[in-house]
Amino acid sequence: NAGVTQTPKFRVLKTGQSMTLLCAQDMNHEYMYWYRQDPGMGLRLIHYSVGEGTTAKGEVPDGYNVSRLKKQNFLLGLESAAPSQTSVYFCASQDLLSGANVLTFGAGSRLTVL
Amino acid sequence: GQNIDQPTEMTATEGAIVQINCTYQTSGFNGLFWYQQHAGEAPTFLSYNVLDGLEEKGRFSSFLSRSKGYSYLLLKELQMKDSASYLCAAKDSNYQLIWGAGTKLIIKP
Repeated sequence: NAGVTQTPKFRVLKTGQSMTLLCAQDMNHEYMYWYRQDPGMGLRLIHYSVGEGTTAKGEVPDGYNVSRLKKQNFLLGLESAAPSQTSVYFCASQDLLSGANVLTFGAGSRLTVL
Repeated sequence: GQNIDQPTEMTATEGAIVQINCTYQTSGFNGLFWYQQHAGEAPTFLSYNVLDGLEEKGRFSSFLSRSKGYSYLLLKELQMKDSASYLCAAKDSNYQLIWGAGTKLIIKP
């Protein structure tokens, strides 16, 4: 049982380049999330999805787009990367069947924009 | 605004007990989480409190006071592997999680 898998784990981009981060989960969870984690700050929600074909903006959505074409996959896109998007990105899926609605995180994708 | 406060860093000795505090201000409240995050790794779930009181799970316990907007994570019999960041997160009225910046716990032999 792989849980939540993120690819790639590391990526270096130049300003203005585009890229897509892929998140895949095999737990049949409905809800999925993309967060960014920066030093000295809490996890900040970028976008989330409550089911296949749906997406919604989080706290810091500007400069990012997402798609949830299949229930198990949640893609995060950067159309024109900026140095401010240098961060560690975490994908998470949520178990709605447990009372706590626990989040399961992927291992993270470290992105550097030069 | 919504806010979570927790200490930036704490140091403790192997075998000892440490308490990591968290205070929160959110629009509504639907529970408080603690996650553990080792350096370079993903956060992993530790505990969840929605009612006042203490929840014990092995060496780890978590306490919640809703009236005070306060929680703590208590770690007993500290081991070197407990060196990690501990993230506090509160669920607001929209069931969105508000995260603290995390407390880096350093365990010394």
